[in-house]
Amino acid sequence: DTAVSQTPKYLVTQMGNDKSIKCEQNLGHDTMYWYKQDSKKFLKIMFSYNNKELIINETVPNRFSPKSPDKAHLNLHINSLELGDSAVYFCASQSQAGAQETQYFGPGTRLLVL
Amino acid sequence: QQQVKQSPQSLIVQKGGISIINCAYENTAFDYFPWYQQFPGKGPALLIAIRPDVSEKKEGRFTISFNKSAKQFSLHIMDSQPGDSATYFCAASMSDYKLSFGAGTTVTVRA
Repeated sequence: DTAVSQTPKYLVTQMGNDKSIKCEQNLGHDTMYWYKQDSKKFLKIMFSYNNKELIINETVPNRFSPKSPDKAHLNLHINSLELGDSAVYFCASQSQAGAQETQYFGPGTRLLVL
Repeated sequence: QQQVKQSPQSLIVQKGGISIINCAYENTAFDYFPWYQQFPGKGPALLIAIRPDVSEKKEGRFTISFNKSAKQFSLHIMDSQPGDSATYFCAASMSDYKLSFGAGTTVTVRA
């Protein structure tokens, strides 16, 4: 059973569209993250939630809005998609807030904006 | 601004050889240094981690060396195998919740 799952795995869409990516973890963890990995493989944190509360919000355009309906789920909604949003988006979870714990990453969602 | 600098960007090693990846940081508040391994098409996965109170940590063929005074740490992959071909990321964090990743090193092990 997959620990951290993401849907969809691939997403191809036109500029200006709105799309959502979903993430679920079955590890019983309190903390979840969204990362963006660009074409050069650079990994950058976008958001983090702890028990449904936003605790990290990096400098991300407000077109990106995370939502955590419960501590097992963290979704990412992107409005008015731009070409530069093309990347791989990873969800990750951690047992509790505090970076000295293993982060478990999902398989990624490959977003291509045309 | 990248808080952790990683080199080389890529390396090729023969099977059985040693792969060495280096990372450097400036922020002395960092107190946790993990390495993540990422295979193509997969998410990163924790490989090994070290805290600054030790200078070396070994797990199987993977060793982290840590030099607190130089603010540098490195990953050594001994007896490299084709299955080790992946991208390796060093990272660092302090008492907040954020991991700062290096730019990654793509390791190719030739049989």
